[in-house]
Amino acid sequence: DTGVSQNPRHKITKRGQNVTFRCDPISEHNRLYWYRQTLGQGPEFLTYFQNEAQLEKSRLLSDRFSAERPKGSFSTLEIQRTEQGDSAMYLCASSQPQGRDQETQYFGPGTRLLVL
Amino acid sequence: RKEVEQDPGPFNVPEGATVAFNCTYSNSASQSFFWYRQDCRKEPKLLMSVYSSGNEDGRFTAQLNRASQYISLLIRDSKLSDSATYHCVVNVMDSSYKLIFGSGTRLLVRP
Repeated sequence: DTGVSQNPRHKITKRGQNVTFRCDPISEHNRLYWYRQTLGQGPEFLTYFQNEAQLEKSRLLSDRFSAERPKGSFSTLEIQRTEQGDSAMYLCASSQPQGRDQETQYFGPGTRLLVL
Repeated sequence: RKEVEQDPGPFNVPEGATVAFNCTYSNSASQSFFWYRQDCRKEPKLLMSVYSSGNEDGRFTAQLNRASQYISLLIRDSKLSDSATYHCVVNVMDSSYKLIFGSGTRLLVRP
């Protein structure tokens, strides 16, 4: 399977614990995105990498959240001191610049986080 | 006001029906437009891009009206397998190329 992969698929944690999620994008894609989706809503943008550079962060990304893409390949999203409001599906997407054509973002299966 | 607004539905239609979804977006700088389909507890998947001239892919037709900032999706001859949530999505083409999703319209196709 050469699509976007994410691990773990599910995570249950207690409030106050730290969690880390991993995303492996499609291999030739240099753009990587993290989104968060809560029940009944569409995915909301969290942050964006082009290669290893983190170029934009949403105001949704509080200082408890940190994302990295150290070698421009896989990315990690860490949430420190989790809160119940962090419970959501965390989606990773990747894309490759298409010039003037519309660029398609391909999504991974997501990591579903439940904070108790 | 949300940047992308959609009727949440659900739209409950019989097999074979034609159903239309509408969407409005607020940012006039929006450059690219899409419909993504999302099955329950799955990731969103691109259904089709939307072009100013309108475009069709089999039973699906998408239209864009830039002047009114309005996007539509028409599904003809609905199948049971079309049951899903359909997100209207725009891309502002700022520094990040991020996608801005509507909340989605839920479609239920019944036998």
